[in-house]
Amino acid sequence: NAGVMQNPRHLVRRRGQEARLRCSPMKGHSHVYWYRQLPEEGLKFMVYLQKENIIDESGMPKERFSAEFPKEGPSILRIQQVVRGDSAAYFCASSPDSLAPNEQYFGPGTRLTVT
Amino acid sequence: AQKVTQAQTEISVVEKEDVTLDCVYETRDTTYYLFWYKQPPSGELVFLIRRNSFDEQNEISGRYSWNFQKSTSSFNFTITASQVVDSAVYFCALSFNQAGTALIFGKGTTLSVSS
Repeated sequence: NAGVMQNPRHLVRRRGQEARLRCSPMKGHSHVYWYRQLPEEGLKFMVYLQKENIIDESGMPKERFSAEFPKEGPSILRIQQVVRGDSAAYFCASSPDSLAPNEQYFGPGTRLTVT
Repeated sequence: AQKVTQAQTEISVVEKEDVTLDCVYETRDTTYYLFWYKQPPSGELVFLIRRNSFDEQNEISGRYSWNFQKSTSSFNFTITASQVVDSAVYFCALSFNQAGTALIFGKGTTLSVSS
């Protein structure tokens, strides 16, 4: 059973460009979470999605950030018009639809660098 | 308020020393989960342990042990006979027993083990 996949692992964007980060959850997992890790910081929750629905986006910045988890395909975290402050590691986690719903399995992360 | 505090920012030890990483949490919920994750220099998050709030038994796994004390809201992590490969950032996290709840992470403790 493959783990959570994230790609790309490293992404460099110039200020003003768009960044698209992809996350494929573990097989059978229907819950996806995105976290951001700023330099020297712990991970901070951004958004929680189930297939085709955003359930909790309380940690998402109000502008430029969006997320989706379509019926088919990976979850996408999209950052428009990136700024230097968006440079961070972005982690995706997935969890099963089970009695232990808080078991979150993390992907390897995408390191975004904005130049 | 729900919060995780890792007061030790950085710890340096010499190989074979024992080291304890502290974690103090705050929550009003009676049912919750506590986690430890390791983030080696390569950057991925490695799951170490999950403990639910009803299980205060200490756990030992090889050189790793965990001491959960509800009375002091602490979930400390000890590495016995540390090795250079233990050098990493260690995160403590808190979660609740329902789908879609985010993990709340501490800021992490950077452990450096020298030979």
